[in-house]
Amino acid sequence: AQSVTQPDIHITVSEGASLELRCNYSYGATPYLFWYVQSPGQGLQLLLKYFSGDTLVQGIKGFEAEFKRSQSSFNLRKPSVHWSDAAEYFCAVGAPYGRGSYIPTFGRGTSLIVHP
Amino acid sequence: EAGVAQSPRYKIIEKRQSVAFWCNPISGHATLYWYQQILGQGPKLLIQFQNNGVVDDSQLPKDRFSAERLKGVDSTLKIQPAKLEDSAVYLCASSQGDLSDEQFFGPGTRLTVL
Repeated sequence: AQSVTQPDIHITVSEGASLELRCNYSYGATPYLFWYVQSPGQGLQLLLKYFSGDTLVQGIKGFEAEFKRSQSSFNLRKPSVHWSDAAEYFCAVGAPYGRGSYIPTFGRGTSLIVHP
Repeated sequence: EAGVAQSPRYKIIEKRQSVAFWCNPISGHATLYWYQQILGQGPKLLIQFQNNGVVDDSQLPKDRFSAERLKGVDSTLKIQPAKLEDSAVYLCASSQGDLSDEQFFGPGTRLTVL
């Protein structure tokens, strides 16, 4: 069975600083990988996803993530954080199953706090 | 395009009572997911439907939880009887079902069991 670890419960950064949120996964093969954001009072929104190909993935809102097979990691990065980025971030792994779909497992989330 | 609809948005019940949640996915989406999100944790998949068939329900507590998706469109999730530890937000999501397709999440139903 697949699993996801987000080792940081909270991350605090200053506005304008760079950001990296860590995600490690456990799965027997190459999984599908996702990052979602959940803002207060809003639903989960997909930031980016990796299925295959280029290991550096660009997403919405200026986010990117890099898949590193050797480290079983899929860390999320942003070069300059804005106050509106304060939210809960979830890494998820999808275990493929037949007919071209996947079963998702989410990490426990990292809460991002942005100081002015 | 309309998003995923869920009702009710909030529900307060006493333990041992029953409760049902409803989800209407985005039109044309073949895959429907129900998640349980306990405060401070990530969403946990309870059940996943492909059309009206169950793909995965390995984490659904089947002694008290049940779900159905009649006609492959909307879905209901029921808890009977509820326990205190069932207090959570119940999220519904849908996707087209293609490999590269993303999930779209509804606003959730916040359940409080007293």
